[in-house]
Amino acid sequence: KQEVTQIPAALSVPEGENLVLNCSFTDSAIYNLQWFRQDPGKGLTSLLLIQSSQREQTSGRLNASLDKSSGRSTLYIAASQPGDSATYLCAVRRETSGSRLTFGEGTQLTVNP
Amino acid sequence: DVKVTQSSRYLVKRTGEKVFLECVQDMDHENMFWYRQDPGLGLRLIYFSYDVKMKEKGDIPEGYSVSREKKERFSLILESASTNQTSMYLCASSFAGTDYGYTFGSGTRLTVV
Repeated sequence: KQEVTQIPAALSVPEGENLVLNCSFTDSAIYNLQWFRQDPGKGLTSLLLIQSSQREQTSGRLNASLDKSSGRSTLYIAASQPGDSATYLCAVRRETSGSRLTFGEGTQLTVNP
Repeated sequence: DVKVTQSSRYLVKRTGEKVFLECVQDMDHENMFWYRQDPGLGLRLIYFSYDVKMKEKGDIPEGYSVSREKKERFSLILESASTNQTSMYLCASSFAGTDYGYTFGSGTRLTVV
């Protein structure tokens, strides 16, 4: 059974700091991995989608990497801002589960002014 | 801007009522999904659909049913609402191919009293 783990569960940093969020998964047979952001009481916003054949994807201050063989992904946020405060979730699409995603529990990020 | 629209942000219903949650997407996606999200339990898949009139049970289908009469619309039905169905409900959609990610709606916060 695929398990997705995100560490740490919560993170508090001062504004301007560069930070890394971690995501690990037990089954490396995946099609892709997606990072989402969720603000309190809201839905999920897609940040980055990495295909299994890719090593990384970038969007603005965000960079996501994927090491499929070791079952790991990281989300790097450069020059963090208070507006980055949210919960960040990763999800994998497994080769054996069709269209279904398996989600991690999320990392709750607080960026302090 | 592509969208997944959930008809209500907040709903309050009484125990025993039949509740309809509506979700509409404008991206011509084949797949549509209903999740619920609860603190400490993460996102759990209730039902999904990969085509019109097709549906498959997710991890927690008990007490729910779904309807997909048109490609763009996927409805979640609580046949007889109970207090343990108080939750955040999230709809998502995606293309059928393995290269695609999910797009989520903004969520419906349902309270059953």
